[in-house]
Amino acid sequence: DTEVTQTPKHLVMGMTNKKSLKCEQHMGHRAMYWYKQKAKKPPELMFVYSYEKLSINESVPSRFSPECPNSSLLNLHLHALQPEDSALYLCASSQVLQGNGYTFGSGTRLTVV
Amino acid sequence: AQSVTQLDSQVPVFEEAPVELRCNYSSSVSVYLFWYVQYPNQGLQLLLKYLSGSTLVKGINGFEAEFNKSQTSFHLRKPSVHISDTAEYFCAVLYNFNKFYFGSGTKLNVKP
Repeated sequence: DTEVTQTPKHLVMGMTNKKSLKCEQHMGHRAMYWYKQKAKKPPELMFVYSYEKLSINESVPSRFSPECPNSSLLNLHLHALQPEDSALYLCASSQVLQGNGYTFGSGTRLTVV
Repeated sequence: AQSVTQLDSQVPVFEEAPVELRCNYSSSVSVYLFWYVQYPNQGLQLLLKYLSGSTLVKGINGFEAEFNKSQTSFHLRKPSVHISDTAEYFCAVLYNFNKFYFGSGTKLNVKP
């Protein structure tokens, strides 16, 4: 299995909703990442987990809350989002932290209304 | 400061013509270099990577890139493009095993 699987593919949520994005990989990778990508822009790093511990938080607002329950799963909990948070959220993994190549999921297209 | 520069935001080209997408990076002790492709509404797919060894790297879909240390460049090339190559292409660099940077992206638009 050489894939990173993200669910859901699309999500529409109101500003008062609570939702979660899920990411799963079974490649034995020990580093996992959340990126946010706005239209026509490169991905921006949000969080990095290494061996299930939060390694990097790129000053992301607290309405985004990551969780890594085990080495294969990465969640992103969303609460009280703003319309400007609408974007493509990408999960990635690598063998080790900042390893020699990331494998990306296909992303969750999030729209906040 | 370390950075990755993709000077061309858009590259239009006719089908079956050759194409080169340019990428320059900041000089550093150690760099790993990558090209990713992103089709509309999809995630990023690794095209190729340079870690060490031969400076000419071959990737998927007929793409190749050449690592040029003296010019701090890693340009992506394909001798004959197809309509299906229309996508956004991102150059990325891992500096000193520490920080991963994306370029701003180049939109390749292949016309019939």
